[in-house]
Amino acid sequence: GNSVTQMEGPVTLSEEAFLTINCTYTATGYPSLFWYVQYPGEGLQLLLKATKADDKGSNKGFEATYRKETTSFHLEKGSVQVSDSAVYFCALRESSGGGNKLTFGTGTQLKVEL
Amino acid sequence: DVKVTQSSRYLVKRTGEKVFLECVQDMDHENMFWYRQDPGLGLRLIYFSYDVKMKEKGDIPEGYSVSREKKERFSLILESASTNQTSMYLCASREPINYGYTFGSGTRLTVV
Repeated sequence: GNSVTQMEGPVTLSEEAFLTINCTYTATGYPSLFWYVQYPGEGLQLLLKATKADDKGSNKGFEATYRKETTSFHLEKGSVQVSDSAVYFCALRESSGGGNKLTFGTGTQLKVEL
Repeated sequence: DVKVTQSSRYLVKRTGEKVFLECVQDMDHENMFWYRQDPGLGLRLIYFSYDVKMKEKGDIPEGYSVSREKKERFSLILESASTNQTSMYLCASREPINYGYTFGSGTRLTVV
């Protein structure tokens, strides 16, 4: 079956530090890949996505590249801010058959301090 | 923008009670989902629905049922609440074209 593995948190960084949150996946076929963010007390919001190999998703200074050869979709940001403190979820969606649902990783909590 | 509204942010229920969690979306989406979110486990799919009166089990359906009588409303039912169902419940709706998901703000359910 499909699965998503994320690095465990919490990740604590100082403001303006470089961020990487690792995500690897297992899937049959050619999934689409997503990063969602959950701010305290809120639901999940789509941060970025990539639908095929070598695609780069980007939004709000965050980036992730779909690497089929390493089955990875690592999230990066060059300079984090306190307002980026949240839980980040990596997810995949199958391209066919079971494409009706998302499979999520366990989430990585990010804390950014001044 | 699509809006997904969950009727309650916080609920406290007693063991054995029948519990209804309501979710409404305003964009006529066919696909709707119920997930539960637990620390260290991420989001796990309970049930989803791809049309009115149509439903499919997700990964953890035991102890739950769902109802979809109208396209905009998708209800999650805990037939007899138990303490291990204490969790955050998230509803989502999916766009038909680019498959974007919109989540509600969640219902934090505590079963005592």
